[in-house]
Amino acid sequence: DIQMTQSPSTLSASVGDRVTITCRASQSISSWLAWYQQKPGKAPKLLIYKASSLESGVPSRFSGSGSGTEFTLTISSLQPDDFATYYCQQYNSYLITFGQGTRLEIK
Amino acid sequence: QVQLQESGPGLVKPSQTLSLTCTVSGGSISSGGYYWSWIRQHPGKGLEWIGYIYYSGSTYYNPSLKSRVTISVDTSKNQFSLKLSSVTAADTAVYYCARGHAAAGTGEFDYWGQGTLVTVSS
Repeated sequence: DIQMTQSPSTLSASVGDRVTITCRASQSISSWLAWYQQKPGKAPKLLIYKASSLESGVPSRFSGSGSGTEFTLTISSLQPDDFATYYCQQYNSYLITFGQGTRLEIK
Repeated sequence: QVQLQESGPGLVKPSQTLSLTCTVSGGSISSGGYYWSWIRQHPGKGLEWIGYIYYSGSTYYNPSLKSRVTISVDTSKNQFSLKLSSVTAADTAVYYCARGHAAAGTGEFDYWGQGTLVTVSS
């Protein structure tokens, strides 16, 4: 199985900050990576697919980059609505795996 | 607008079989280019992929659950279902159904159900 490791596990930041979350794969997954945002009691919401493609309707302050084994999700200027948990997901193989999540909290 | 809705018992006894159904509206489950998945989330924990099915009936399961999982599809009802046998308290979780974009065989999940909490307890 391909293991996905996110860092940090928790990130404290303020409104207006630029933040970056990293996701590392245990082997190359090309660009087959997605990012999700999840708020308490809600289903995850797709933000980014194929490592850097922005899902329709998602604000442009979200961006993704990377390929191979290292990927990043960047929020250019944090808004109050962005405090949530973020997950990466690889779909390079038929066996899908998620990262363990990064909780973004208000400093 | 595609919508997915999970349904099924919220309480299952240990050793019994958990059964959930996902009803898809706003689109056909037989549409090419998509696959249909179950994902769960233990309380306060991360996301765990359970398995998925293509409309053709082909399935793939998480190796850690494979011996207990069956996913099936009913195209006439636009539904797909999950059965998880021999459940224990460790199977207590919120269960989500989701649509995957199968551009590369598998892909990102673009639509999700709201999730349903299933508790395993006697």
